[in-house]
Amino acid sequence: DQQVKQNSPSLSVQEGRISILNCDYTNSMFDYFLWYKKYPAEGPTFLISISSIKDKNEDGRFTVFLNKSAKHLSLHIVPSQPGDSAVYFCAASAANRDDKIIFGKGTRLHILP
Amino acid sequence: NAGVMQNPRHLVRRRGQEARLRCSPMKGHSHVYWYRQLPEEGLKFMVYLQKENIIDESGMPKERFSAEFPKEGPSILRIQQVVRGDSAAYFCASSRRTGSSGANVLTFGAGSRLTVL
Repeated sequence: DQQVKQNSPSLSVQEGRISILNCDYTNSMFDYFLWYKKYPAEGPTFLISISSIKDKNEDGRFTVFLNKSAKHLSLHIVPSQPGDSAVYFCAASAANRDDKIIFGKGTRLHILP
Repeated sequence: NAGVMQNPRHLVRRRGQEARLRCSPMKGHSHVYWYRQLPEEGLKFMVYLQKENIIDESGMPKERFSAEFPKEGPSILRIQQVVRGDSAAYFCASSRRTGSSGANVLTFGAGSRLTVL
């Protein structure tokens, strides 16, 4: 049972434009959502998180939006840069589950020149 | 701060052999998590440990797989009698705490890639 779903395996975006990565979840007990970025042959690195009591969190070029009623979140990157080409993982945790982090399958983002 | 250290980075085993993957968490982190990434798949949770305790092993296969995090030394993920389907990248992550306010942000190692011939 996939509790965190990233339905787009890949996405291509022109450099300078906005990249929007989507994520859906099924467990209403999740209280934190996180985005990680992964380059080939490296481990994932933390990008940004959002609490379930908020609907937006911004950090520089990265903004995460949360729609609890739709159980949907998205990561916006603007403007997109060549170094943003990577796999992006959406993740979620529930404090009553010992903070175990559940990851989606990832979306591969290609930034086109 | 060296971050989360995993070794070996690459390990080749023949079917039936044992694989041991090691993970040293970040300094000050007492919680270790192991994840597995199969080709074209996401990160699948395997096990969560604190020093000398397994907190959650709900993602571990019931047979051949075991994990430990002793009082001294790194965390070890052990796979006995490996099969081709065990070929994957195994990532270790550590964090400072759980259950407190704020997101539980994991810091990942670079991974250990296991190839079973």
